[in-house]
Amino acid sequence: DTAVSQTPKYLVTQMGNDKSIKCEQNLGHDTMYWYKQDSKKFLKIMFSYNNKELIINETVPNRFSPKSPDKAHLNLHINSLELGDSAVYFCASSQGLNAEAFFGQGTRLTVV
Amino acid sequence: QKEVEQNSGPLSVPEGAIASLNCTYSDRGSQSFFWYRQYSGKSPELIMSIYSNGDKEDGRFTAQLNKASQYVSLLIRDSQPSDSATYLCAVVRGSTLGRLYFGRGTQLTVWP
Repeated sequence: DTAVSQTPKYLVTQMGNDKSIKCEQNLGHDTMYWYKQDSKKFLKIMFSYNNKELIINETVPNRFSPKSPDKAHLNLHINSLELGDSAVYFCASSQGLNAEAFFGQGTRLTVV
Repeated sequence: QKEVEQNSGPLSVPEGAIASLNCTYSDRGSQSFFWYRQYSGKSPELIMSIYSNGDKEDGRFTAQLNKASQYVSLLIRDSQPSDSATYLCAVVRGSTLGRLYFGRGTQLTVWP
């Protein structure tokens, strides 16, 4: 049983397209996150949701729109993809706002 | 000043040695501290969490926290080649709950 699962694992798309990444956790956690890991392997928070409410939006372009239909799901929609959006996107979840986070397997997005 | 700083490494130790990984953080109000291990092409995996001053041991791993010095470390005893990975230090600041700040990681190589 995968605790935090993301789909798809790989995504190759052209500039200007719109794409979505889905995330689901079966840990019963109340907090979910999106992180971006760039080519230099630096992990940076993008969004944080607690009980379906957005609590952190870390200066992310508004082409990125997260949606949390329920506490177990957090999706990420990206409009008008740019070359600079190429990265690995990780979903994570935790129980509470200062607890350890558990990560999904990541989605490697390549924009060509 | 970066939120979380780690020795960039790489750190190379022989099999059976103790590997020592260090991390400093800028916010004195930080509450929660974590060490993650990330193998190449994989997602970060939680190996230790520590919340109060002192040492915490789990198998071959020991995390040490010194809030006065704003310092957290990870010791890996009896290092194995399978420990070769990038180790990420992560911190939750008291003022911005719901956001894990990551260091840039220390790459560890354990040679047989």
